[in-house]
Amino acid sequence: GENVEQHPSTLSVQEGDSAVIKCTYSDSASNYFPWYKQELGKGPQLIIDIRSNVGEKKDQRIAVTLNKTAKHFSLHITETQPEDSAVYFCAASINTDKLIFGTGTRLQVFP
Amino acid sequence: EAQVTQNPRYLITVTGKKLTVTCSQNMNHEYMSWYRQDPGLGLRQIYYSMNVEVTDKGDVPEGYKVSRKEKRNFPLILESPSPNQTSLYFCATQLGTGRAGELFFGEGSRLTVL
Repeated sequence: GENVEQHPSTLSVQEGDSAVIKCTYSDSASNYFPWYKQELGKGPQLIIDIRSNVGEKKDQRIAVTLNKTAKHFSLHITETQPEDSAVYFCAASINTDKLIFGTGTRLQVFP
Repeated sequence: EAQVTQNPRYLITVTGKKLTVTCSQNMNHEYMSWYRQDPGLGLRQIYYSMNVEVTDKGDVPEGYKVSRKEKRNFPLILESPSPNQTSLYFCATQLGTGRAGELFFGEGSRLTVL
């Protein structure tokens, strides 16, 4: 079955710097890759997703890149702000069925 | 407002005392599921339901039961809780598998089993 590895487990950055979180997946049939943000005391919330027919997708300060050959995808946050502090989860699935989540990255943005 | 509501949010119980965590959604979604979140392990699926009266095991179903008698409700039942079921539990819904893709999560239920 699918296995998703996520790194790093914790990440600390200065406000205004960029943050990058990386995930690798094992099943080459996976074609849907969402990222979820979990703020303290809340459930995860979808922030961006990408499908395998696209190499990059941007939404304001957030971007996701996908390398199908290497089977890895990354979340890029530019100009980080304190409100970006949260736990981020990557996930992978085939046609949005049965999402397999990574182990999470705790991002801390220091003012 | 679109909502996934879980209750209770916090619960401390003792080994062997049956408990139910309720989940209710107002989005008319077909797909509902339960996850548990543990440090270093991420989110792991316990059970899921593709529609009323249709449920199936996820990756870590041992020690749990579910039912889906109505579209909006998907309770998680721990018949005889054990300390290794101490965790943060999330209910999630999706419009339908193979479409849309976005999971909507509840705010979580933190369970401690002594």
